[in-house]
Amino acid sequence: GNSVTQMEGPVTLSEEAFLTINCTYTATGYPSLFWYVQYPGEGLQLLLKATKADDKGSNKGFEATYRKETTSFHLEKGSVQVSDSAVYFCALSSTGTASKLTFGTGTRLQVTL
Amino acid sequence: GAGVSQSPRYKVAKRGQDVALRCDPISGHVSLFWYQQALGQGPEFLTYFQNEAQLDKSGLPSDRFFAERPEGSVSTLKIQRTQQEDSAVYLCASSIFLVNEQFFGPGTRLTVL
Repeated sequence: GNSVTQMEGPVTLSEEAFLTINCTYTATGYPSLFWYVQYPGEGLQLLLKATKADDKGSNKGFEATYRKETTSFHLEKGSVQVSDSAVYFCALSSTGTASKLTFGTGTRLQVTL
Repeated sequence: GAGVSQSPRYKVAKRGQDVALRCDPISGHVSLFWYQQALGQGPEFLTYFQNEAQLDKSGLPSDRFFAERPEGSVSTLKIQRTQQEDSAVYLCASSIFLVNEQFFGPGTRLTVL
């Protein structure tokens, strides 16, 4: 079955540091890949997505590239801000019509001044 | 426009009580999903509706869990004879048919004492 593995947190960075959160997946076929973010006290929000190999999703300075050869979808940001402090979830959905999401366990990011 | 709404936001139940959790999806969204998120974990799929049809209920953990969407809009997740292990945040998400981006509600935090 489908599964997602992401690096454990918490990740603590100083403001303006470079961020990488690793995510690898196991799936049949050609899944779509997502990063969701959960800010304190708020619901899950889609941060970015990629639907096929070599696609790069980007939003709010965050980027992730769909690497089929390494089955990875690592999240990166060049310069984090305190406001980026949140829990980040990597997820996938199988090919086809609206399909259930399989999530990783989440990585908590704490950015300090 | 309005996003996905869920009620109640918080629910405390005594072990053995029945509970009902409500989800109002985004207007016009054909697909509706329920997920269960245990503390410190990623959401896990429970069930999926396309309009009023429940097409996948493979994630429901036991026959105490029941979901319905009788008119293809509002959905209710019912848990009978609640147990302590049912304590979690229950998330509802909706999406446009044939598009795999899901929009999440704020969740209902269920605590079973």
